[in-house]
Amino acid sequence: EAGVAQSPRYKIIEKRQSVAFWCNPISGHATLYWYQQILGQGPKLLIQFQNNGVVDDSQLPKDRFSAERLKGVDSTLKIQPAKLEDSAVYLCASSGSYDRPQETQYFGPGTRLLVL
Amino acid sequence: GEDVEQSLFLSVREGDSSVINCTYTDSSSTYLYWYKQEPGAGLQLLTYIFSNMDMKQDQRLTVLLNKKDKHLSLRIADTQTGDSAIYFCAESPANQAGTALIFGKGTTLSVSS
Repeated sequence: EAGVAQSPRYKIIEKRQSVAFWCNPISGHATLYWYQQILGQGPKLLIQFQNNGVVDDSQLPKDRFSAERLKGVDSTLKIQPAKLEDSAVYLCASSGSYDRPQETQYFGPGTRLLVL
Repeated sequence: GEDVEQSLFLSVREGDSSVINCTYTDSSSTYLYWYKQEPGAGLQLLTYIFSNMDMKQDQRLTVLLNKKDKHLSLRIADTQTGDSAIYFCAESPANQAGTALIFGKGTTLSVSS
């Protein structure tokens, strides 16, 4: 079974530029999560989707971050404009009804973003 | 607020046992998880325990849960150099809107030969 795929793996941009990350979850997984992991910290949730609907985006800085999962499969996370403090690893995870427990999350390799 | 606490560093010799401790906050969390993160990689699920269990063993890994004290531990028997990584404890609080995990800051395990 293929795991969670993410691209790009690395991205370097200047502040005020925009950037987009892509995630393809495990096939059949209905729930998709985006986490932000700042160096030295544990991951923190940005947004959770159930199919193509948003379940929780309370921690998403909506003035600059946006995310979508239009067809309930792939998802993109966008930052516009980026700030220095957005430098982090952006992790995508998915979970699904075929797993026990159902909320067990499987993570992709992450996208490392550096904002200069 | 929600806060999962872990010690930051642990150093052991190859062949010894490692014990990584964690305290969590939400007594209604149904499942508790341990993830492993190697340098430059994503999080790898190691094991999980259901909240009505006290112990779970999976090969070299033993998870102990003290629900009264909200304390979780991960024991790695016969620790190898390949076990060197950051280990994250995570809970899934019942009061969350969704099923997102709350992670600790991670414990860096260093194994010397």
